[in-house]
Amino acid sequence: DTGVSQDPRHKITKRGQNVTFRCDPISEHNRLYWYRQTLGQGPEFLTYFQNEAQLEKSRLLSDRFSAERPKGSFSTLEIQRTEQGDSAMYLCASSSWERQGSGELFFGEGSRLTVL
Amino acid sequence: DQQVKQNSPSLSVQEGRISILNCDYTNSMFDYFLWYKKYPAEGPTFLISISSIKDKNEDGRFTVFLNKSAKHLSLHIVPSQPGDSAVYFCAARLQGAQKLVFGQGTRLTINP
Repeated sequence: DTGVSQDPRHKITKRGQNVTFRCDPISEHNRLYWYRQTLGQGPEFLTYFQNEAQLEKSRLLSDRFSAERPKGSFSTLEIQRTEQGDSAMYLCASSSWERQGSGELFFGEGSRLTVL
Repeated sequence: DQQVKQNSPSLSVQEGRISILNCDYTNSMFDYFLWYKKYPAEGPTFLISISSIKDKNEDGRFTVFLNKSAKHLSLHIVPSQPGDSAVYFCAARLQGAQKLVFGQGTRLTINP
């Protein structure tokens, strides 16, 4: 399968702990995005990368959040000192040069975070 | 500030009939509008899109209509099938930007 893959699918942690999520985009896609989705809401933009450069960050991305895409391939999203309000589904998406004109994104299945 | 709104949280339609999902937006600088479909425990999947310079785009059973004067778009599914039961998200992209702004979603249930 050559879709977007995310790991882990589900993470349960205690408040104050650090968590890290990994995303492997579709191999030929140069753009990678992180979104967050809470219950009853649509996905909210967090940040995006073009190759290894992080080009935009949302105000939602507090200082406790950091994302990297060190070699322009996979990406990690780390949340430090987790809070209960961080509980959400974290979605990764990628897009290709050809599809970026229409804004079409290919999403992974998401990583669900539960902070106790 | 919710720039993209889906005011109907849920919609129930009989199999074979037309499903119409609605979406309103506030920002006239959006240049592309997209519909995504989401099944439980899966990520959203792209369904259909429309450029702001068009008023209609069709792909098989799915048609999206854009009314720029009303800042309104709708997704028509005809005929509706049981496999169409899912949450549908409307999304929009600002001109020159990369991120998508999503609505809250509408849960569509197709009844046999």
